Amino acid sequence: LAKTTQPISMDSYEGQEVNITCSHNNIATNDYITWYQQFPSQGPRFIIQGYKTKVTNEVASLFIPADRKSSTLSLPRVSLSDTAVYYCLVGDKSFKTIFGAGTRLFVKA
Amino acid sequence: NAGVTQTPKFRVLKTGQSMTLLCAQDMNHEYMYWYRQDPGMGLRLIHYSVGEGTTAKGEVPDGYNVSRLKKQNFLLGLESAAPSQTSVYFCASSYKSELVTQYFGPGTRLLVL
Repeated sequence: LAKTTQPISMDSYEGQEVNITCSHNNIATNDYITWYQQFPSQGPRFIIQGYKTKVTNEVASLFIPADRKSSTLSLPRVSLSDTAVYYCLVGDKSFKTIFGAGTRLFVKA
Repeated sequence: NAGVTQTPKFRVLKTGQSMTLLCAQDMNHEYMYWYRQDPGMGLRLIHYSVGEGTTAKGEVPDGYNVSRLKKQNFLLGLESAAPSQTSVYFCASSYKSELVTQYFGPGTRLLVL
């Protein structure tokens, strides 16, 4: 199982772009990188998934360098409602991935 | 679609009591999972199922049993609850082919006294 390392917490202000980097040095060839968001008292919610290069959807962008040993979740123009915990997972099947402690993002007005 | 639902939402047990948590999904997903989440920590996989009638152990299976008699339901049982099982329990499901994209329920808060 590929282990991931993320910052424990981050602070930002409304309207700023937030980048959360995740390290996964032992990622395997078949592994994908997936990010989830969790609000207090709710279950995690899928944000974005990628294998290499860049992926963008209506919520976020995911940047993956060529060596795939890290990835960066980019949240454009955050708002107060983006305050949550963000988890980076690496694996090729759901039951082979691990939810670490995640990154607590706090967005201030 | 209701997605993934969990019952009950909250429960208080005394040490030694038993209970069953029910998870239901209406998305025709093959895979289902039970996680627990303790304060300030990530989710840990308890048991999972890759199809009706099959179950497998996850990271922290001790003290729990599961059953998947119907494709849409995944039950988590505590035969003899202990205070260490006080936690928030999340159920999730996924398509067989969608790698690690899981859909989570709202959670069940369990307090064992």
